[in-house]
Amino acid sequence: AQRVTQPEKLLSVFKGAPVELKCNYSYSGSPELFWYVQYSRQRLQLLLRHISRESIKGFTADLNKGETSFHLKKPFAQEEDSAMYYCALQGVGTYKYIFGTGTRLKVLA
Amino acid sequence: NAGVTQTPKFQVLKTGQSMTLQCAQDMNHEYMSWYRQDPGMGLRLIHYSVGAGITDQGEVPNGYNVSRSTTEDFPLRLLSAAPSQTSVYFCASSPPGQGSYGYTFGSGTRLTVV
Repeated sequence: AQRVTQPEKLLSVFKGAPVELKCNYSYSGSPELFWYVQYSRQRLQLLLRHISRESIKGFTADLNKGETSFHLKKPFAQEEDSAMYYCALQGVGTYKYIFGTGTRLKVLA
Repeated sequence: NAGVTQTPKFQVLKTGQSMTLQCAQDMNHEYMSWYRQDPGMGLRLIHYSVGAGITDQGEVPNGYNVSRSTTEDFPLRLLSAAPSQTSVYFCASSPPGQGSYGYTFGSGTRLTVV
């Protein structure tokens, strides 16, 4: 079955601490992986695409095909990083996305 | 360039009423979709369209209809509202082709059915 799993509903860290938001996927093939962020009461925004290997707002994510994971990391959390984060998978050759259930990140002062 | 525009932002309906959520994009995106966002369930795909005149069902299509008469517009119709349809609805679009461009989302419609 095609699935995206984000095991943590809530992750609380202190400002300046490292952050890792976990994402595991199940897909037969090589999907495209994304991270989206939703700040309080705002629209979802694309944060990262694995294919571009970019770093946005200090966040990075590495696709591990062996472990079928795409964890989101940041070395030093900031209060403005507090938001809802969604991992998403796009099947190769399709437009359709599968989203995880999301992880709420709270960065404490 | 407004991106993806959704109206209304908020709506309260009585059980059994019908209504249409509007979605428009000005980026010439072929792919458009509707999601509902519920606590603990993430985003679930309701319907999607790969181009004008082409629509298909997603994960949770029951109780909803869509049409795509133009590239720009993709309205979502609730046929007979039920309390289980209380949710936040997001419209999203993606550029032509099937590359890894990601979605552009609208700002959402918060719907309450009483």
